[in-house]
Amino acid sequence: DAKTTQPPSMDCAEGRAANLPCNHSTISGNEYVYWYRQIHSQGPQYIIHGLKNNETNEMASLIITEDRKSSTLILPHATLRDTAVYYCIVRGTEAAGNKLTFGGGTRVLVKP
Amino acid sequence: NAGVTQTPKFQVLKTGQSMTLQCAQDMNHNSMYWYRQDPGMGLRLIYYSASEGTTDKGEVPNGYNVSRLNKREFSLRLESAAPSQTSVYFCASSDLSGPRGTQYFGPGTRLLVL
Repeated sequence: DAKTTQPPSMDCAEGRAANLPCNHSTISGNEYVYWYRQIHSQGPQYIIHGLKNNETNEMASLIITEDRKSSTLILPHATLRDTAVYYCIVRGTEAAGNKLTFGGGTRVLVKP
Repeated sequence: NAGVTQTPKFQVLKTGQSMTLQCAQDMNHNSMYWYRQDPGMGLRLIYYSASEGTTDKGEVPNGYNVSRLNKREFSLRLESAAPSQTSVYFCASSDLSGPRGTQYFGPGTRLLVL
């Protein structure tokens, strides 16, 4: 599985957009980029995933560069409840049991 | 629809004791996973079961055994607990035929080994 690199922490003002970067320069052509978050010791929660096109859902937007070597998760209007650790993960192939490899993540603190 | 449930929520063991962590999912998912998370760290995969009847080692399998009892249930056993196994344990499930295999996580079991 491709390794990901994320900044260890970042702050964001409430109501503003939070842009979380992730580098995955060794990603292979059939690997998806997933984002999960973990709010204070709860189980991780799925946010969004993508292959090569930009994606948007009710929680966030995912922007993947054309060469697929990096991506950005965008929380359009951060709230205090978005304070969490955000994990960028490149998903293994189905033959490998659909495993997820979690790195250290980015600890996001949304401030009032 | 409870999703993924785990029991117990908390457990304290003495070194050398054994215990089994239980996990069940009601989403008819094929794959199930056990992770551990140490303080300040990301999750690490212990074992997984890609489908009923199969299990495979993950990143940190030593000291653990698993049983995929049926499609719903996947248990994790510590035969002789060690202080290094103090951690939070998360179970997850996914449906490979679903939206690219999104994993759904349980609330975790907090284990302290003295």
